[in-house]
Amino acid sequence: GQNIDQPTEMTATEGAIVQINCTYQTSGFNGLFWYQQHAGEAPTFLSYNVLDGLEEKGRFSSFLSRSKGYSYLLLKELQMKDSASYLCAPRINAGNNRKLIWGLGTSLAVNP
Amino acid sequence: DTAVSQTPKYLVTQMGNDKSIKCEQNLGHDTMYWYKQDSKKFLKIMFSYNNKELIINETVPNRFSPKSPDKAHLNLHINSLELGDSAVYFCASSQLTNLADTQYFGPGTRLTVL
Repeated sequence: GQNIDQPTEMTATEGAIVQINCTYQTSGFNGLFWYQQHAGEAPTFLSYNVLDGLEEKGRFSSFLSRSKGYSYLLLKELQMKDSASYLCAPRINAGNNRKLIWGLGTSLAVNP
Repeated sequence: DTAVSQTPKYLVTQMGNDKSIKCEQNLGHDTMYWYKQDSKKFLKIMFSYNNKELIINETVPNRFSPKSPDKAHLNLHINSLELGDSAVYFCASSQLTNLADTQYFGPGTRLTVL
């Protein structure tokens, strides 16, 4: 089966750095996405990794190790608006197609 | 210039009714999706259409029927609504031929069945 593990909740302070970990067990792995979802809003795309290593995008970076089934999202210089849920979503091959498998997300609270 | 739009944003209805949710994307994507997000925030794929053809059909009651009149539209019709159908329904789109195939989401439709 497919399984994704992320911490349920995390708390951090404005201006700090936080790392949100995600481990996954999937078959037909074909890349991994991170999405941000504010309360009452739609998920929005943050990052995509298909090869091992670090992808940096401004204050956000994402790392992937396919052999370990592990990814993390690193958020630097935290701002209050970063308080949101962060969803780890591995993509798998589904027949001739692909689909995302979604974790329950990590709810991040940024405090002043 | 909204990329993925859904109507209505809120839908409150009685058990047993039939309702539809509409989705449109102006990104020129070839693939569209319907997701259900329940009260525990678990996001579950329901259907996916590529160039108007059904390509993913998860285990969803047949009371749910998607319809894609063209590549830019994917509607969801629900018959005989039940209490357990209460959730937020998200439409999304992507370009399957791209390596990244990033999905972009609509604002969601919050369905409440009384």
